[in-house]
Amino acid sequence: DQQVKQNSPSLSVQEGRISILNCDYTNSMFDYFLWYKKYPAEGPTFLISISSIKDKNEDGRFTVFLNKSAKHLSLHIVPSQPGDSAVYFCAASPGDKIIFGKGTRLHILP
Amino acid sequence: GAGVSQTPSNKVTEKGKYVELRCDPISGHTALYWYRQSLGQGPEFLIYFQGTGAADDSGLPNDRFFAVRPEGSVSTLKIQRTERGDSAVYLCASSLNPGPNTEAFFGQGTRLTVV
Repeated sequence: DQQVKQNSPSLSVQEGRISILNCDYTNSMFDYFLWYKKYPAEGPTFLISISSIKDKNEDGRFTVFLNKSAKHLSLHIVPSQPGDSAVYFCAASPGDKIIFGKGTRLHILP
Repeated sequence: GAGVSQTPSNKVTEKGKYVELRCDPISGHTALYWYRQSLGQGPEFLIYFQGTGAADDSGLPNDRFFAVRPEGSVSTLKIQRTERGDSAVYLCASSLNPGPNTEAFFGQGTRLTVV
């Protein structure tokens, strides 16, 4: 039973436009949410996170939004750049271990 | 380098054999995590160490899997009687302190293929 769901396996976005990656979760005990980025043949790297007491966190081109009532979070990347092409994992934690979704492959088109 | 190091990077083994996968965390990191990533899936939690002790091993799929971290630094994931379904990339991560609000750094992974 997947606790963290990324329902879009892939997403293509024009360079310069906004990329929006979505994630749903089922466990209301999660108190921290994270996004990781992964290039081929590399381990995932931390991108941005948000505590469950907040609804928005921004870091440069990356913004994460959290809607606790809907158990939904999203990652916005604006403007999208070619180097953003990667697999993005949504993740959540109840306090210690981190539980990952299946990932969304983002393609930034020239 | 100063990152998390995993060896070997690739391992091919025959069904039924025993394998050991090694993880060298970032120096000073007390928390160490093992994950397994199968094709098309996200990283699946296996076990987490705080210091030398396994704080949570609820993700280990069965008793063929075991991990140790005897001195609170290097960790070894051990798989007995390997099966073809064990084929995956095994990822190790470490963080300065436990908990998700301390960034976890991942190694490149060990790709295990059981033939």
